[in-house]
Amino acid sequence: DAKTTQPNSMESNEEEPVHLPCNHSTISGTDYIHWYRQLPSQGPEYVIHGLTSNVNNRMASLAIAEDRKSSTLILHRATLRDAAVYYCIPVITGNQFYFGTGTSLTVIP
Amino acid sequence: ETGVTQSPTHLIKTRGQQVTLRCSSQSGHNTVSWYQQALGQGPQFIFQYYREEENGRGNFPPRFSGLQFPNYSSELNVNALELDDSALYLCASSAGGIFSGETQYFGPGTRLLVL
Repeated sequence: DAKTTQPNSMESNEEEPVHLPCNHSTISGTDYIHWYRQLPSQGPEYVIHGLTSNVNNRMASLAIAEDRKSSTLILHRATLRDAAVYYCIPVITGNQFYFGTGTSLTVIP
Repeated sequence: ETGVTQSPTHLIKTRGQQVTLRCSSQSGHNTVSWYQQALGQGPQFIFQYYREEENGRGNFPPRFSGLQFPNYSSELNVNALELDDSALYLCASSAGGIFSGETQYFGPGTRLLVL
């Protein structure tokens, strides 16, 4: 099974950048890496995804290591609304979509 | 464009009973996935339906079953409820199977309590 390793929790000061790491050492060459987040009392929401190269959108940036065995989600300026559990999910063809336990991000005002 | 909706929002059942949870997909989406999320844990994949056929299943027993209808709405059925089935049940819709890398859009979930 392709599993992920993420820190259980992280803290950031408001308006500072946050780097959320993820290790996914058993990923294969055709598997996308997705990041979702779950705010309290809500369903998960999509943040970003990528395959090989770094990706940017209005919410975040995704930096993917050259060997694809790790990735980092970057929030450029954390806001209080970014406090959530962040899940790194390597989508595995023919296997299940595995969320893991994620990283709980606390944003300090 | 409406998002993913689920009903009911909360439900209480007793052990041994059966339950049906419902999900309406986002407009234009032909794929729905169901997840179980226990308190303090990440969502666990139950199964996925693509164009009314089961298209992937996680490590859940056969008493967890589902249906997808021609309008792409979906049901999750759980028979012979056990105490450990108490959880938040999430459905997510997408424009293609999750194994294609398509973005999933989640509903708010149904919180099930089994007594």
